[in-house]
Amino acid sequence: IAGITQAPTSQILAAGRRMTLRCTQDMRHNAMYWYRQDLGLGLRLIHYSNTAGTTGKGEVPDGYSVSRANTDDFPLTLASAVPSQTSVYFCASSDRGQGDGANVLTFGAGSRLTVL
Amino acid sequence: GQNIDQPTEMTATEGAIVQINCTYQTSGFNGLFWYQQHAGEAPTFLSYNVLDGLEEKGRFSSFLSRSKGYSYLLLKELQMKDSASYLCACMDSNYQLIWGAGTKLIIKP
Repeated sequence: IAGITQAPTSQILAAGRRMTLRCTQDMRHNAMYWYRQDLGLGLRLIHYSNTAGTTGKGEVPDGYSVSRANTDDFPLTLASAVPSQTSVYFCASSDRGQGDGANVLTFGAGSRLTVL
Repeated sequence: GQNIDQPTEMTATEGAIVQINCTYQTSGFNGLFWYQQHAGEAPTFLSYNVLDGLEEKGRFSSFLSRSKGYSYLLLKELQMKDSASYLCACMDSNYQLIWGAGTKLIIKP
């Protein structure tokens, strides 16, 4: 089934630990995104990538890094997790890139991260 | 600043009609999206409006008034499976998406 796969589904992490959230898509979409979703707030963009080999910062990039070595994979890394990074993280993809016209996003099922 | 407002929660009865409103203030406008998100699941695309007027898609319709900075999502013949959060998102002049916090819709039998 075409779509986006995220892993892990859920994780509890000690503060200060390094964590990588994985995201893979099989739709050959050009652009990929990482969002965080917190109660009472709209989705907030962390980082994005319009094509393989390029990345850009979103609204809340601090404390996170990404890489886009190929079209399919877009991992999100927390170098040293802090409790404020407790959230649900959604990976998404689209055919068009960020800033390249109206684009419909396809989302993964999310990764629930708790930092203690 | 840029802002999207939508009600936090609404309740409706199975078989009825419900209208979920969204007002926006953005720097420029390049369209408005509605997404549906069931609890614990991914948001899924419902509609996109860039011109004024009503777009109908089965039981769901979406309306846009650019002059008023206003949109609504209309759900007819409500079913229990329509219980979900509905997310409004606007695309600003740079094609950046600004998301509302979502409206949680509760359907009662």
